[in-house]
Amino acid sequence: EVQLVESGGGLVQPGGSLRLSCVASGFTFSNYEMNWVRQAPGKGLEWVSYIYDSGHTVYYGDSVKGRFTISRDNAKNSLYLQMNSLRAEDTALYYCARGGSYFRYWGRGTLVTVSS
Amino acid sequence: EIVLTQSPGTLSLSPGERATLSCRASQSVDNNYLAWYQQKPGQAPRLLIYGASSRATDIPDRFSGSGSGTDFTLSISRLEPEDFAQYYCQQYGSSPWTFGPGTKVDIK
Repeated sequence: EVQLVESGGGLVQPGGSLRLSCVASGFTFSNYEMNWVRQAPGKGLEWVSYIYDSGHTVYYGDSVKGRFTISRDNAKNSLYLQMNSLRAEDTALYYCARGGSYFRYWGRGTLVTVSS
Repeated sequence: EIVLTQSPGTLSLSPGERATLSCRASQSVDNNYLAWYQQKPGQAPRLLIYGASSRATDIPDRFSGSGSGTDFTLSISRLEPEDFAQYYCQQYGSSPWTFGPGTKVDIK
């Protein structure tokens, strides 16, 4: 069974940093492209970032470019999102999602709240 | 960036009725790379349809997708109680991948 479990969310002040993690199981992690997708409270879905299976290619949405960094450790079956210079508008539930284009598997998400 | 518009914002129907949800793109979606997701409160989205019309694994055949270019439709032939939820379309034909704002299907 495919499982994606996110962690690392919490309350952070504007301008602060946070690192999210996603641990994968039930499939060969190193064979799959991965993404972060977020959802602000009561709002819709927003794609945040993508990483190729090897980690050599990454993409970002315009709203996070230059502030967020996606990475992965295939030996640990783990996906990461380093978030710097956080803003109030980054407050959201952050999902880890498997797929190179559409997203077949999702985690349950980890909540990030940016507030003073 | 391709902007997706979904209509209606809310669809109020009774169990057993047919639901028709629309997703319109601001420009043509390459290769009809459009997906549909269902999301219930407190849950992660669930993939229903990809490639505009291909049902994902374990999705009941009452769900169907159609369309091409800029106009796409998700149809639910006979609404079951568990189908009342939020539905999102997503295009993955060109970066950045974008989602529509959603259609809520609620019980009339």
